[in-house]
Amino acid sequence: QVTLTESGPALVKPTQTLTLTCTFSGFSLSTRGMCVSWIRQPPGKALEWLARIDWDNSRYYTTSLKTRLTISKDTSKNQVVLTMTDMDPVDTATYYCARFFWGSYRYNDYWGQGAVVTVSS
Amino acid sequence: EIVLTQSPGTLSLSPGERATLSCRASQSVSSDYLAWYQQKPGQAPRLLIYGASSRATGIPDRFSGSGSGTDFTLTISRLEPEDLAVYYCQQSGGSPPYTFGQGTKLEIK
Repeated sequence: QVTLTESGPALVKPTQTLTLTCTFSGFSLSTRGMCVSWIRQPPGKALEWLARIDWDNSRYYTTSLKTRLTISKDTSKNQVVLTMTDMDPVDTATYYCARFFWGSYRYNDYWGQGAVVTVSS
Repeated sequence: EIVLTQSPGTLSLSPGERATLSCRASQSVSSDYLAWYQQKPGQAPRLLIYGASSRATGIPDRFSGSGSGTDFTLTISRLEPEDLAVYYCQQSGGSPPYTFGQGTKLEIK
């Protein structure tokens, strides 16, 4: 059974750095084709793809936030960490991690319940 | 970056009717890399369709996907009240970013 759970602060101040952890089970991030994505959703708005880390430690970022994002993994702990620097109120959103299958087909097949992050002083 | 445009923005239909949702890409996307997700109120998204037309595990056959190139469609036949949700398409072709459409909100009368 595949599960993913996001954890991190619910409230951060402007200019601070956000650190979110995705703890997963039911698969290994060292298996070829397994990846973890981060996706966010501002209140009442659409999904926005942020970043992805692959089984071989390849990392990808959305263009507009590339300078602020870092994604990393700890395979032994089954965790993926996303950091976002210089937080702003517009970064207020629910942040999801999801397993991404990279193969003949590509899709996010399992999602966490999301971590709600508010940026406010 | 590939832009996905979904239409209509909102769709209001009655139970038993058929819903047709569109997803148009700014450039050609391989069908293998086009997915649809359903997000019910207060919930995380759920994978519905991958490879443009393959249903994910546990998805009823009322849901079907089709299309190729730049035009893709999600069809829900025989709408049920539980289909109330926002539906998103996403492309995962080539190099990231793997963009989502802006969503279609499906209302059940």
